[in-house]
Amino acid sequence: EVQLQQSGPELVKPGASVKISCKTSGYTFTEYTMHWVKQSHGKSLEWIGGINPNNGGTSYNQKFKGKATLTVDKSSSTAYMELRSLTSEDSAVYYCALTTVVYFDYWGQGTTLTVSS
Amino acid sequence: DIQMTQSPASLSVSVGETVTITCRASENIYSNLAWYQQKQGKSPQLLVYAATNLADGVPSRFSGSGSGTQYSLKINSLQSEDFGSYYCQHFWGTPPTFGGGTKLEIK
Repeated sequence: EVQLQQSGPELVKPGASVKISCKTSGYTFTEYTMHWVKQSHGKSLEWIGGINPNNGGTSYNQKFKGKATLTVDKSSSTAYMELRSLTSEDSAVYYCALTTVVYFDYWGQGTTLTVSS
Repeated sequence: DIQMTQSPASLSVSVGETVTITCRASENIYSNLAWYQQKQGKSPQLLVYAATNLADGVPSRFSGSGSGTQYSLKINSLQSEDFGSYYCQHFWGTPPTFGGGTKLEIK
């Protein structure tokens, strides 16, 4: 069974950085692209970017270039997203989502990020 | 970027009714469209892919249709577990944008 287990809620100060993790199991980690999606409170979903765990190749939404950095650790089958220079606009729930064919077949449970002083 | 316009934004319906949610793309997306269901406090779940194909385990009361720029999700005989939010998403190029969502509430 495919499982995506995300790290817990984060409370960080403006200007700081945060790294969210998505630990996977139940499939071959290097086989499928991992994506990250942002959902601001009460709002819709935004694709941040995706990473190919096999070669580390990334694709970013232009809106999040410079804000988000996607990485993976193949040894632990874990994907990471680092967000920098945080502001209140970055407060949201962030999801990792797996593409086995084209669509987002599997989703993590979400990580709530709160940016506040 | 391709814009996805979803309507209605909210809908108040009763159990047993039939509802249709629509999604319009700003350009032809050649049926590269998915629908997701999201319940309060939970992550989205894939319902329909390639515009018309039900994901594994999705009840047959759900159906997707459409082509070109116009797509719809129909739910026959609504059940209590169907209430929540629904989102469309295109997969024709990058970024794969989502619609604004439709919140389905109990009347």
